[in-house]
Amino acid sequence: AQKVTQAQTEISVVEKEDVTLDCVYETRDTTYYLFWYKQPPSGELVFLIRRNSFDEQNEISGRYSWNFQKSTSSFNFTITASQVVDSAVYFCALSEKNYGGSQGNLIFGKGTKLSVKP
Amino acid sequence: SQTIHQWPATLVQPVGSPLSLECTVEGTSNPNLYWYRQAAGRGLQLLFYSVGIGQISSEVPQNLSASRPQDRQFILSSKKLLLSDSGFYLCARSGGGSPYEQYFGPGTRLTVT
Repeated sequence: AQKVTQAQTEISVVEKEDVTLDCVYETRDTTYYLFWYKQPPSGELVFLIRRNSFDEQNEISGRYSWNFQKSTSSFNFTITASQVVDSAVYFCALSEKNYGGSQGNLIFGKGTKLSVKP
Repeated sequence: SQTIHQWPATLVQPVGSPLSLECTVEGTSNPNLYWYRQAAGRGLQLLFYSVGIGQISSEVPQNLSASRPQDRQFILSSKKLLLSDSGFYLCARSGGGSPYEQYFGPGTRLTVT
């Protein structure tokens, strides 16, 4: 069955600390896509990244980095030198190419609430 | 740019009243459109999706319905609201090069009293 697990419900750090948000997935498909979204207090979900299952290269974007490991079915997200503006709920999501339909249904984890204190 | 509009932004409705939430998309043709609900527990639940005008698929049976009268318009409705319909409703679109990335609107916060 397809599933996304974000075991960390809430994380609290002090500004400038590094923090890693964990995401573990289960899929029945050989081709799939993984995503991270950010939901700030305003509520709108902001797309951060998409990773294809055939591309295990890690990615860095400014203070954000993503570690994709197929061997452990994980797609973890690290924020370096966290800032107060990083406070939000972060969602990991999965879309399966062959089972998600042509519309690409997303399966979301329950989210991790990150609080960055000054 | 591709923009998603949702209105109203907030809504307080009594139990048993009707509901109509609207989502419109700019800047892309023939998008896939989605309605999600996020209840107090933060999880996102897919309610409906549409791959074209008049084509609606329901993911969860409930007293809500959806319609797509125009290519870039997606409407969520109810004839009689329940307390359990309270939540944050998000419209999303995909398409325009990748069917797998979904982009979300600002959401409507619905409180049923």
